Amino acid sequence: AQKITQTQPGMFVQEKEAVTLDCTYDTSDPSYGLFWYKQPSSGEMIFLIYQGSYDQQNATEGRYSLNFQKARKSANLVISASQLGDSAMYFCAMRENSGGSNYKLTFGKGTLLTVNP
Amino acid sequence: DAGITQSPRYKITETGRQVTLMCHQTWSHSYMFWYRQDLGHGLRLIYYSAAADITDKGEVPDGYVVSRSKTENFPLTLESATRSQTSVYFCATLYGYEQFFGPGTRLTVL
Repeated sequence: AQKITQTQPGMFVQEKEAVTLDCTYDTSDPSYGLFWYKQPSSGEMIFLIYQGSYDQQNATEGRYSLNFQKARKSANLVISASQLGDSAMYFCAMRENSGGSNYKLTFGKGTLLTVNP
Repeated sequence: DAGITQSPRYKITETGRQVTLMCHQTWSHSYMFWYRQDLGHGLRLIYYSAAADITDKGEVPDGYVVSRSKTENFPLTLESATRSQTSVYFCATLYGYEQFFGPGTRLTVL
């Protein structure tokens, strides 16, 4: 079974609107971390936001917030007030902390976000 | 303050040739990782290293060899390149909970 599932291969949003990128995960490890990375067309991987499995509050970083629903095993990324520069590929990733995971990340297949003017 | 550098940034080679991709960090982070990125697969872990002289396999290690004699360097070698190894390769280090990625190497095997 896939550990990270991103069901939206592509998404479109109008500039200045909010958009939600979906991510569901599968793990039996009680301790884990969830990450979102942005990859613009230039190719670099940019860390956006992190959520720990024991964190009580949803993580926020500027215009990015992570809608963490533990019981549903979902970790959706919400981008508020979209900008043209937000057009990029977005990856959800998970790190399981137990069982000698050695900090390895498992990535989803990504969602290509296009922001329209 | 380069952080992580990868070389070469672009490489074209032929089937059967040996290729080495270099990764260098200016920090002294213990953990280093090699991922490959292919359309439809996201990033997949090839090998990782917890410290100098300690390496282990990831999800897709076949056809690759790594070494880590110094903390700052983590080269990835394709011993006999195949077309299926055409990909973008990313090196990463770990600091705290965050992985920092290099700029990537685009490898084409003809």
